[in-house]
Amino acid sequence: DAGVIQSPRHEVTEMGQEVTLRCKPISGHDYLFWYRQTMMRGLELLIYFNNNVPIDDSGMPEDRFSAKMPNASFSTLKIQPSEPRDSAVYFCASSSPGTANYGYTFGSGTRLTVV
Amino acid sequence: ELKVEQNPLFLSMQEGKNYTIYCNYSTTSDRLYWYRQDPGKSLESLFVLLSNGAVKQEGRLMASLDTKARLSTLHITAAVHDLSATYFCVVVGPGTASKLTFGTGTRLQVTL
Repeated sequence: DAGVIQSPRHEVTEMGQEVTLRCKPISGHDYLFWYRQTMMRGLELLIYFNNNVPIDDSGMPEDRFSAKMPNASFSTLKIQPSEPRDSAVYFCASSSPGTANYGYTFGSGTRLTVV
Repeated sequence: ELKVEQNPLFLSMQEGKNYTIYCNYSTTSDRLYWYRQDPGKSLESLFVLLSNGAVKQEGRLMASLDTKARLSTLHITAAVHDLSATYFCVVVGPGTASKLTFGTGTRLQVTL
């Protein structure tokens, strides 16, 4: 199993541009999470899906952020327009209650820099 | 709102020494995890603790859970440099399905 795959690994963009982050969860996992990590705020849950349906998006900072999961093997997190304060590492994770020990697997993250 | 507090936030220790990281959480939890993160890297699952009194050990690390006290500990025995990383306590609250709440993290630095 290749694990949770995120792309791109690094993204540098100018303020005001649209940014799309991508995630492929582990096959068979029915939960998918998007987290953001910054020095100031630590790890914050942005949104999570169960069976492709958004369950809790209360962590999404504002309307500039949106996330979709069109099928079980793909999710996107979009920021439009991007701002410098969005600079962070964005992690995707997936899990399944059926997995031994209810494991959560994190992707390698996307380091976003907005200049 | 579920809150997860860790202490210390930063720990510098010599190789060969023992130490304990503490994790307190504010409400009843379904389960608790410990994760490790190396600088610039992703998060690696170390332990999952599912019930009161649970104890898990892997190498020089041992995690325990006291659900009555809402406390988990991560004990380090005879630290080695390779254990240098940030350790997160992560809690799943009741009625929140699979939502993880992360502690602040403890940055461990093991010196020679």
